[in-house]
Parts: sequence; structure tokens; C-alpha cells
Amino acid sequence: GENVEQHPSTLSVQEGDSAVIKCTYSDSASNYFPWYKQELGKGPQLIIDIRSNVGEKKDQRIAVTLNKTAKHFSLHITETQPEDSAVYFCAASWEGNTGFQKLVFGTGTRLLVSP
Amino acid sequence: DAGITQSPRYKITETGRQVTLMCHQTWSHSYMFWYRQDLGHGLRLIYYSAAADITDKGEVPDGYVVSRSKTENFPLTLESATRSQTSVYFCASSESASGGGTQFFGPGTRLTVL
Repeated sequence: GENVEQHPSTLSVQEGDSAVIKCTYSDSASNYFPWYKQELGKGPQLIIDIRSNVGEKKDQRIAVTLNKTAKHFSLHITETQPEDSAVYFCAASWEGNTGFQKLVFGTGTRLLVSP
Repeated sequence: DAGITQSPRYKITETGRQVTLMCHQTWSHSYMFWYRQDLGHGLRLIYYSAAADITDKGEVPDGYVVSRSKTENFPLTLESATRSQTSVYFCASSESASGGGTQFFGPGTRLTVL
């Protein structure tokens, strides 16, 4: 099945710096890659996603890049702010042999932005 | 706009007891999902449902039972709870699963099995 690896597991940055989180996936048929932010005590919330026909997508301070050949995708946060502190999860869609696309999640990155 | 809610938010139970976690969504989404979240494992899919009365296993279904008699509700039952089922459980819903439809998550239920 699909396997998603995520690095680093923890990331500490100073306010204003950039943060990059990287994920790799194993199934070349995966075609949808969302990123979720999870704040303490809350459920994951979608912050940005990208489909396999696009190489890059931006939304204000957040961007995601996808390299289909290398099977990896990354989340970039610029001008980090303390409220960006959270756990971030990447995911990849996987159909397998059921015809139903499920999401397979990475293990998460705890981002800490220090003032 | 209530969105997706879960109850209870916290639950402590004992080994061998049956416990049911509730999930309710107000969007009339066709797809609903149950995940468990454990340190070092991220989110793992337990069961999912494509519509009322249609359910299927995910990655870690053993020890769990689901039902979906109504589109808006998707309860998860642990028939005989074990300590290894101590976890945070998240319910999610999606309008579409085609191409990996956006999933919206509930606030979670923290379950402790003693």
C-alpha cells in the first residue's frame, strides 16, 4: 500500500524565519496531496492541497511544491508567526484495489515558532 | 453552522467494556471516516463509509464496529475495549472521495482504557 514519510518530526524556528516540511510517498498513482494543521486539542484542519497535475501552489505565506518524479512534496511557510506553532500533517491519496481513494497520513511535524 | 461534532470529548473506560463514540455532521456529506491518532503513527484509518448502509475497513479495523443508518451519523463501537485502543479518535467527512476529496475533521474524542 501507500506509505508516506514526513520529516522533520520537530522543527523550531524564530519568528519571521521560513519553515520547510518534507514528505515522500511510495505509490506513483497517488494524485492528491493535502496538508493539515492541528492545534492543541483540536482536529486537523486543511490548510492547502495540491493535485498531481500542478507543480506548485501558493496561498499567502503558505506554499506547497510537488515533484512527481521524485515522489516528494513539501510545505513552505514564510514569515512565520507564533500562531503558526502547531502539528502539521501531510497526506497522499491512495486507491489500492478498492477503487476508493483513501488518505494516508505522514507522522506529523511539530512546528514551534519562537517570538 | 455546527459542521462535524463528536461526543463524548473525553471517555475513560475499563478493559472489556463496550463503548460507542458518536459522530454527527450537518453538511450531508456522503463520505465519513474514523481515524485514530497515536504518537509516532499519525492518523490511521479505522473504517470509512461511502453512504448510508455502506461501510468498509480501513488500515486498522480490528476490534471496532461501525454502522451508518443515517447519512449524518457514523458511530464507532469498541465491542470489548483493550488498553491498546487508548487513543484520540477523529471523525471526518467529505463531500467526495474522487481524487481525494477534502476531508473535514471533528474535534476528536480522547479515549482512555484502563
